[in-house]
Amino acid sequence: QVQLQESGPGLVKPSETLSLTCTVSGGSISNYYWSWIRQPPGKGLEWIGYIEVYSSGGTNYNPSLKNRVTMSADTSENQFSLRLSSVTAADSAMYFCARGPDYYGSGSFLQYWGQGTLVTVSS
Amino acid sequence: DIQMTQSPSSLSASVGDRITITCRASQSISNYINWYQQKPGKAPNLLIYGASTLQSGVPSRFSGGGSETDFTLTISSLQPEDFATYYCQQSYSTWYTFGQGTKLEIK
Repeated sequence: QVQLQESGPGLVKPSETLSLTCTVSGGSISNYYWSWIRQPPGKGLEWIGYIEVYSSGGTNYNPSLKNRVTMSADTSENQFSLRLSSVTAADSAMYFCARGPDYYGSGSFLQYWGQGTLVTVSS
Repeated sequence: DIQMTQSPSSLSASVGDRITITCRASQSISNYINWYQQKPGKAPNLLIYGASTLQSGVPSRFSGGGSETDFTLTISSLQPEDFATYYCQQSYSTWYTFGQGTKLEIK
């Protein structure tokens, strides 16, 4: 069974860079896509983007965050990471990592999720 | 972006009730919609993909339907463990978007 675990600082200062890592167990990160999703307290879900851990290592980011987001992967550690720069209070949220898009034909879904990690942006 | 609008935003119901949640897409998304259940403090859990295909292990009281822009999630007979928040999500676009959620509460 694939399991994901987010890790990183729970408190980040405004204007600094949020950095999170997702460690995957129960399977290799290779040959899959891996996503980050966030959820402000009491609010809905926002997809941040994904990285494909294939030969290209391509990424696809939410256009609203594209200028501030960087995703990377480390196959030797079976981890992938998120960096979000120039954070403000609006970036305070629960951050989830997930496997996917997992494709079925032309559609896709997010099947395996981490438990989430709460990040607060405050001085 | 493809906007996903769920209704109602909240719903009170009793154990044994049949309920339906609606999700409307801002453009046609064929049947590329998924439904998730989220309980407080937990990650979302995939219930249905491709509008109507039940994810493995999900009880058969859950069903999904619809196509193009209008979709439904139905729970045929509510159980105590079903009280949660439900989200729709489109996978038509490479940029996923979610509905705002429907909170299902016990009456």
